[in-house]
Amino acid sequence: GENVEQHPSTLSVQEGDSAVIKCTYSDSASNYFPWYKQELGKRPQLIIDIRSNVGEKKDQRIAVTLNKTAKHFSLHITETQPEDSAVYFCAAIPMDTGRRALTFGSGTRLQVQP
Amino acid sequence: GAVVSQHPSRVICKSGTSVKIECRSLDFQATTMFWYRQFPKKSLMLMATSNEGSKATYEQGVEKDKFLINHASLTLSTLTVTSAHPEDSSFYICSASQTYEQYFGPGTRLTVT
Repeated sequence: GENVEQHPSTLSVQEGDSAVIKCTYSDSASNYFPWYKQELGKRPQLIIDIRSNVGEKKDQRIAVTLNKTAKHFSLHITETQPEDSAVYFCAAIPMDTGRRALTFGSGTRLQVQP
Repeated sequence: GAVVSQHPSRVICKSGTSVKIECRSLDFQATTMFWYRQFPKKSLMLMATSNEGSKATYEQGVEKDKFLINHASLTLSTLTVTSAHPEDSSFYICSASQTYEQYFGPGTRLTVT
């Protein structure tokens, strides 16, 4: 089955700096890669996703890049703000199989220092 | 759009009792719903996948007789923790999916005393 590894487990940046979180996956059939943001005690929120037919996707200060050959994908947050502080989870799934459940990474706790 | 509700948000129960948690997709029909368990500062652990009108598929190590899942309609799935014990105390989160995007409920914090 799929295995998703996520690094780093914790990340502290100064407000205004960029933050990068990286994930690798094992199943070459995986072709949908969402990222979730979870604030303390709250639900995970889908913030951006990418499908394998593109290499990069941007949404304002957030971008995701995908390297299918190397089987890794990354979340980039620019101009970080204190409200970006949360736990971020990557996930992967092969859309073309019967499996519907995402495989999640272990999470990255991002702390943005004001 | 894509709103998922979960009820109750918090529940405290005595050891040996059963607790039912409801998950509803409010503005879309969810062909698949998922139940997760999350320990403090940990990732989401998938417990089971349920499709409307069929039996749930449980992940390895999850006791199906202890965690009963019913997916009676395209907008409602329930998780019943039977004969709860203190080690079942956790944060339980559901998610609902129509295609491949998953939208999460707000979670239920279960405390078994």
